[in-house]
Amino acid sequence: GAGVSQSPSNKVTEKGKDVELRCDPISGHTALYWYRQSLGQGLEFLIYFQGNSAPDKSGLPSDRFSAERTGGSVSTLTIQRTQQEDSAVYLCASSTTRVTRGTEAFFGQGTRLTVV
Amino acid sequence: GEDVEQSLFLSVREGDSSVINCTYTDSSSTYLYWYKQEPGAGLQLLTYIFSNMDMKQDQRLTVLLNKKDKHLSLRIADTQTGDSAIYFCAERRLYNFNKFYFGSGTKLNVKP
Repeated sequence: GAGVSQSPSNKVTEKGKDVELRCDPISGHTALYWYRQSLGQGLEFLIYFQGNSAPDKSGLPSDRFSAERTGGSVSTLTIQRTQQEDSAVYLCASSTTRVTRGTEAFFGQGTRLTVV
Repeated sequence: GEDVEQSLFLSVREGDSSVINCTYTDSSSTYLYWYKQEPGAGLQLLTYIFSNMDMKQDQRLTVLLNKKDKHLSLRIADTQTGDSAIYFCAERRLYNFNKFYFGSGTKLNVKP
């Protein structure tokens, strides 16, 4: 597609359930990022993929969080046994890693996760 | 301390200029970006500046970079109500180019 696509756009889940959030990056973008934005807060880095590998997963808050990327394209962020503090907007972004002019990150619209 | 810092709020009147400030800590920063986030939406790139530049102008937007003080600013001329949004400063570093470091965002409120 033309932009970064995330699904679902909204997700309400019960505490203790597992959820999967999906990100379709821009075609050809080798780098993919997951960020979390809690209400009134800035962007919290979660994990970065280069191709299918994750050189930096330092931002994952706990072992309940995991992410994978297949075929150098789609990525899934999984949260197990969700807690209320997991409620946030989860943003995905992709970029080229070539050091060319600009090389900005392009963001999806986000998935708003509400844990009740 | 945080890698990238911004003030949380700014309020201006329509027609005035807005100046949003950002400070960063890493001297190897190569690209610096300003993103805009409107309510309920993702982040959109407004403009960026390479670290060997002091200033960049794009229509109503002026970016100033003081590399010595590690200070970046975004000036919006003739601010409109449609400019009300959260503005994020971000950087990429030479030795870890694949990671973006974002500030906490500045919420700009434009009063009619």
